[in-house]
Parts: sequence; structure tokens; C-alpha cells
Amino acid sequence: KQEVTQIPAALSVPEGENLVLNCSFTDSAIYNLQWFRQDPGKGLTSLLLIQSSQREQTSGRLNASLDKSSGRSTLYIAASQPGDSATYLCAPLNAGKSTFGDGTTLTVKP
Amino acid sequence: NAGVMQNPRHLVRRRGQEARLRCSPMKGHSHVYWYRQLPEEGLKFMVYLQKENIIDESGMPKERFSAEFPKEGPSILRIQQVVRGDSAAYFCASSPVGSATGELFFGEGSRLTVL
Repeated sequence: KQEVTQIPAALSVPEGENLVLNCSFTDSAIYNLQWFRQDPGKGLTSLLLIQSSQREQTSGRLNASLDKSSGRSTLYIAASQPGDSATYLCAPLNAGKSTFGDGTTLTVKP
Repeated sequence: NAGVMQNPRHLVRRRGQEARLRCSPMKGHSHVYWYRQLPEEGLKFMVYLQKENIIDESGMPKERFSAEFPKEGPSILRIQQVVRGDSAAYFCASSPVGSATGELFFGEGSRLTVL
């Protein structure tokens, strides 16, 4: 059974800081890993998909890495902005049922 | 290409009534997943369906909950005789047929309130 842990559970930073969100998972037999953001009362928006053959993936100020063998992924956010405030979720993807972490709630203060 | 469409976005039911939530996957997607998010909790897997087949329902409560994905039309999550503890956001995701990536695309969710 896949278990996903995200650390920290909550994070508050001043605008402009670089930050790292951590995701660990117990079952490394995954296809890929996907990072999402969720705004309050909203659905999930896909941020990045890292395929299992890749080590990292970048989109704008976001960079995600994947170490499948150790069961870890990190999401790096550069030069954080107040608009980045949201809950960030990681999901190691299997063929069917995928388990989500409980997320890291990020607050970026102006 | 429209995204995953869920309706209704908000649904209010009294205890004992039935709730039906609908999900139309993205065009070309034949894999549908339902997740539930209880207030202040994480996203929990409920069921995985392909057209006319339930593939994995290990996350579905044993009673009152059912799901289907017919050959034509949207996927339906049905909750019979709702109780207050069913109040939650229900999210649907879809993925493409034959995709090796497993990438998930989510709808905006249906928020059920049971009075």
C-alpha cells in the first residue's frame, strides 16, 4: 500500500524567498509523479509531471526532482510571490489508483 | 478541448436523500477516477473506472455508494441515503486511454452539503 508524506505541512515565507517542498513515498513501483496546486474551494491544477525516466522537470519558476529509488520528490519554487499561496499536493502515479499526500499549505506574505 | 466537467458544482441534500454527481472526462479519455476530500483533510481515492467496467473500488464505502461509467454519457457517483458525514468535495479525474504516463486531469469538484 502506497503511503505519501509531505513535509512541511504548512509553510509561511516572505515574498521573494526560494523554497523547497518535500514529498516521500513508500512504494517506488510507480509510473511517474505529478505535482498539483489547490486553491481554497477549488479543484486541482497540474503543475508538473515527472516521468520515471526523468530526474527533474521545470516550468517557469518551478522545478521538480524525482529520486524514484529513494522514494523522494522535491518541488522548488524560486522567487515566491503572494499568488503562489495555495496547497501543494504530490501524487506518485500508478496504473489506476494513485495516492495523494496531505499537501503543504504555503502562504507567501507580501 | 474542454477539461474534465463535473456537475453540479454545489449540491445540498437532506439526510436520507440521494445525491448523484456527474463527471464528463476530457475528450479522448476513457479512464475515470473519483476522489473525496473531507473538510480539512486530504484527497482520498474512491474508485477507478473504465468504460462499462469498475477496475478498482477499494476506496468506496461498502454501503450506499456506487459508481458507473456507461458506454455513453458521463460517469456517475451515486450516494444513497446521505448522512452528514458524506458532506465533502468529490473530485473526478480522467486520463487518456493507453497512456503510459498516468497523468491525471481534474475537474473543479462537486461540493456536497448534507443538512
